[in-house]
Amino acid sequence: NAGVTQTPKFQVLKTGQSMTLQCAQDMNHEYMSWYRQDPGMGLRLIHYSVGAGITDQGEVPNGYNVSRSTTEDFPLRLLSAAPSQTSVYFCASRGWGEAKNIQYFGAGTRLSVL
Amino acid sequence: KNEVEQSPQNLTAQEGEFITINCSYSVGISALHWLQQHPGGGIVSLFMLSSGKKKHGRLIATINIQEKHSSLHITASHPRDSAVYICAVVLTQGAQKLVFGQGTRLTINP
Repeated sequence: NAGVTQTPKFQVLKTGQSMTLQCAQDMNHEYMSWYRQDPGMGLRLIHYSVGAGITDQGEVPNGYNVSRSTTEDFPLRLLSAAPSQTSVYFCASRGWGEAKNIQYFGAGTRLSVL
Repeated sequence: KNEVEQSPQNLTAQEGEFITINCSYSVGISALHWLQQHPGGGIVSLFMLSSGKKKHGRLIATINIQEKHSSLHITASHPRDSAVYICAVVLTQGAQKLVFGQGTRLTINP
């Protein structure tokens, strides 16, 4: 198993540009989520999904879109990048059905918006 | 006030010392995770627990549900233990979302 694969690892955008962060997992996990990590703050939930076709907002959803057309993939779209979206982004997945399953993280995407 | 508080925020110790990192939370949880983030940025799960104590090698994690507190201990610390340690709780409500502490940056000097 490759686990959680996240691409790209680094990205620089100009204000107003759009892009998609890719996330894929091969563990047949129902639950997938996107977090951002900023200095001095804990990871914050952007969007999450409990299965294909089902998504919901987290704590900081503004400026981001997600979709879940398959169990494996959960892309995060930045519609019009802003400097406030400069951050490190992590995708994660875990099994659903009980709260006790191990959380697996992607390697992270370091995004800079100029 | 954050729902999950970790202490200390930064910890520097000498190789061989016994390390304790604390996590307190103010919400109802069904489980608690301890995670490790190395300087390269990757995050790995160390423990997931809902009661009692777990041990893996030199790492020990405990949780007291009544007191809403968990601790991560490292025995015989080593420079390779230097990392950020993150506590995260699984909420009993709200689709079992995770809420994260700010992390504790641990540096072990040789």
